[in-house]
Amino acid sequence: AQTIHQWPVAEIKAVGSPLSLGCTIKGKSSPNLYWYWQATGGTLQQLFYSITVGQVESVVQLNLSASRPKDDQFILSTEKLLLSHSGFYLCAWSLQGRDTEVFFGKGTRLTVV
Amino acid sequence: GDSVTQTEGQVALSEEDFLTIHCNYSASGYPTLFWYVQYPGEGPQLLFRASRDKEKGSSRGFEATYDKGTTSFHLRKASVQESDSAVYYCALSDRGYGNEKITFGAGTKLTIKP
Repeated sequence: AQTIHQWPVAEIKAVGSPLSLGCTIKGKSSPNLYWYWQATGGTLQQLFYSITVGQVESVVQLNLSASRPKDDQFILSTEKLLLSHSGFYLCAWSLQGRDTEVFFGKGTRLTVV
Repeated sequence: GDSVTQTEGQVALSEEDFLTIHCNYSASGYPTLFWYVQYPGEGPQLLFRASRDKEKGSSRGFEATYDKGTTSFHLRKASVQESDSAVYYCALSDRGYGNEKITFGAGTKLTIKP
């Protein structure tokens, strides 16, 4: 069975500090990978997607970056956090194809103070 | 670009009431439409999907019909239960050829009173 693990579960960070969030997908080779951001009470905003190792596409600019160093790993990072980065970050995966289901992880709650 | 509009931001009903959450979309291609449900503190999970005009998706008593003419995919349930309380998202996907953008609506928070 496929599993998706996100870390950390929650973070409290200071404005201006760096950030690194990660997720690992086990049990599925060459999945599409996604990062989503959700402000408190807000909708799901797709940030990045990756269809293969080393290749990441940005969907919206939020002063964040993403990398896919391994087939099963997706990293979200920034060197300088802003207050507006607070929210719920979700990693997700899917198979190739236009109508395939997207499976979400349990998310990371980020509070920037 | 693609967009999804959910009319209702919040819906409050009593058990056994009929539910409708409206979803309209705009897309240049022929997208696949989804309904996702999210419980507090968790990631969204798929309720069901539809890929063709007039196709009906359904799960757990919820259903929606893909209507290309009115560009709609309204969610309905005949008799809601307290356990249906959650946030519901309509989404569209027009993925392919390296484009993996998936667009979600703003979400509808459903609260069911016992």
